[in-house]
Amino acid sequence: TQLLEQSPQFLSIQEGENLTVYCNSSSVFSSLQWYRQEPGEGPVLLVTVVTGGEVKKLKRLTFQFGDARKDSSLHITAAQPGDTGLYLCAPTSTGGFKTIFGAGTRLFVKA
Amino acid sequence: ETGVTQTPRHLVMGMTNKKSLKCEQHLGHNAMYWYKQSAKKPLELMFVYSLEERVENNSVPSRFSPECPNSSHLFLHLHTLQPEDSALYLCASSLPPPQETQYFGPGTRLLVL
Repeated sequence: TQLLEQSPQFLSIQEGENLTVYCNSSSVFSSLQWYRQEPGEGPVLLVTVVTGGEVKKLKRLTFQFGDARKDSSLHITAAQPGDTGLYLCAPTSTGGFKTIFGAGTRLFVKA
Repeated sequence: ETGVTQTPRHLVMGMTNKKSLKCEQHLGHNAMYWYKQSAKKPLELMFVYSLEERVENNSVPSRFSPECPNSSHLFLHLHTLQPEDSALYLCASSLPPPQETQYFGPGTRLLVL
């Protein structure tokens, strides 16, 4: 059974601050997706990381896949209120249909 | 951009009602999913269809009945639900493995009274 943990569960920060959220597992994954979900909406894909050690940037968001492909982090620089939402990580299974999502980190950025 | 639509967006129903949720995808995918999202709980996969065949059923009570008439449409038929079934029901679609990135609809917020 794959165990997926996201931390912190909740984060409330001021506009302009930096933050990092984490996604950790005991399993090795072929790739991993990060999604952001705003209240009352479905999750929206932000990025897919595939290679161990890979770093991807999306404006102020920096995603990193661990060397062993068991963990990932999302760093946000100079957070803005528009970054508020639930950040979900979801590993890609290695054959079947992806069924595991983390519980998410709920981020609130205060103006 | 979202190519997955869901209707209705909000639904209130009594425990004796029968209703259906609809999902439509315009992305050319052939795998579709139903998820349940309750407050403070991770997304729970309910059903997976690939090429219109059900390939996964995660021990979902029989009061939830999925239907996939073609690769673009997915329904979730509801009957005799319980208050604890109140949640956000999300539909997603994807290409079959290994292209598994899922694209989600906006969800249907369901309240069972």
